[in-house]
Amino acid sequence: QVQLQESGPGLVKPSETLSLTCTVSGGSISRYYWSWVRQPPGKGLEWIGFIHYSGDTDNNPSLKGRVTISVDTSKSQFSLKLRSVTAADTAVYYCAGGKERLYYWGRGTLVTVSS
Amino acid sequence: DIQMTQSPSSLSASVGDRVTITCQASQDISNFLHWYQQKPGKAPKLLISGASNLETGVPSRFSGSGSGTDFTFTITSLQPEDIATYYCQQYTNIPYTFGQGTKLEIK
Repeated sequence: QVQLQESGPGLVKPSETLSLTCTVSGGSISRYYWSWVRQPPGKGLEWIGFIHYSGDTDNNPSLKGRVTISVDTSKSQFSLKLRSVTAADTAVYYCAGGKERLYYWGRGTLVTVSS
Repeated sequence: DIQMTQSPSSLSASVGDRVTITCQASQDISNFLHWYQQKPGKAPKLLISGASNLETGVPSRFSGSGSGTDFTFTITSLQPEDIATYYCQQYTNIPYTFGQGTKLEIK
């Protein structure tokens, strides 16, 4: 059974870069697409983007080019970088397995943007 | 972006009730729609893909239907463990977008 675990700082200062990593276990990272989804406190889900080990990747235009998603097959990890964060980027960030059909999910990690 | 509108935003029902949630897309999305369940403090769980295909291991009391712009999610006999927020998601176009969620509570 594939398991996902997010890791990274829980607090990021405004204007800095949010960096999260998702470690995949129980399955090959080369087999699936991998995605990031976020959820502001008390609100709904927002799709951030996806990546495949082949390099196929895309992300939400609403994030205005601030997103980079990458994959490291040697470590069975994929990562999210979100630049120039503001308080509006405060959310629980989930990594997930799949491209548009998200069938594996991490537990999520809360990232707060605050000085 | 394709807007997904769920109704109602919240719903209170009794154990054993039939529960229906609707999801309307701002344009034709064929059957490119999934339904997720999110319990409090937990990650979402995929229940139904392609508008009507039940995922493996999901109880048969859950079902989905619809195509084009109008979709329905149904629980035929509500159980206490079904208390959650339910989201629809379209995947016709990027960005993939979710409905705002329907919070289901026990009466």
